[in-house]
Amino acid sequence: NSKVIQTPRYLVKGQGQKAKMRCIPEKGHPVVFWYQQNKNNEFKFLINFQNQEVLQQIDMTEKRFSAECPSNSPCSLEIQSSEAGDSALYLCASSLTGVSDYTFGSGTRLLVI
Amino acid sequence: GEKVEQHESTLSVREGDSAVINCTYTDTASSYFPWYKQEAGKSLHFVIDIRSNVDRKQSQRLIVLLDKKAKRFSLHITATQPEDSAIYFCAASRSNNRIFFGDGTQLVVKP
Repeated sequence: NSKVIQTPRYLVKGQGQKAKMRCIPEKGHPVVFWYQQNKNNEFKFLINFQNQEVLQQIDMTEKRFSAECPSNSPCSLEIQSSEAGDSALYLCASSLTGVSDYTFGSGTRLLVI
Repeated sequence: GEKVEQHESTLSVREGDSAVINCTYTDTASSYFPWYKQEAGKSLHFVIDIRSNVDRKQSQRLIVLLDKKAKRFSLHITATQPEDSAIYFCAASRSNNRIFFGDGTQLVVKP
């Protein structure tokens, strides 16, 4: 069982709808990453945090996603207006150092219909 | 940015044989090289890693080799078992930076 908890496991949304997923990092891990894995198994980095601060994010995330990691609450990633191309497995990972020892959650599988 | 290439998209071996998966990377500043296993419909499971200060690491049936000069690293699975069948991803990262993944190798271990 993963120490990184992601919810929900599955998410089905219509195009244009918001899609929100959550991640509880491993206890004591201040660095959190979000990745998107498409059906071709390709990974796309979306955003990472150290504590509550955004370290890096790609343009797509900045323009279409809303993400945060508030203290004492789960991290969240929300697509503001879902598109068919957003259908993918969204993986959250946490790390103590940000250098190594990443722990991945079980993922949220999003289907946009 | 970093680009990680995984050379074998599929690999089929007989149970008991060794399997070798090869990866190359482009960023000379990359210092951490993890490997992950993903079974169908599941998340990534950490397998083994190697840091740039060593060129070989072994954990039971798994051996990772790193050639910094060639910017190449490889995963060797010895005495393969059917439960080793999965997709294996190599990855590379700098310190305090995101992980860059290869495209995965589907390993099939035939009984």
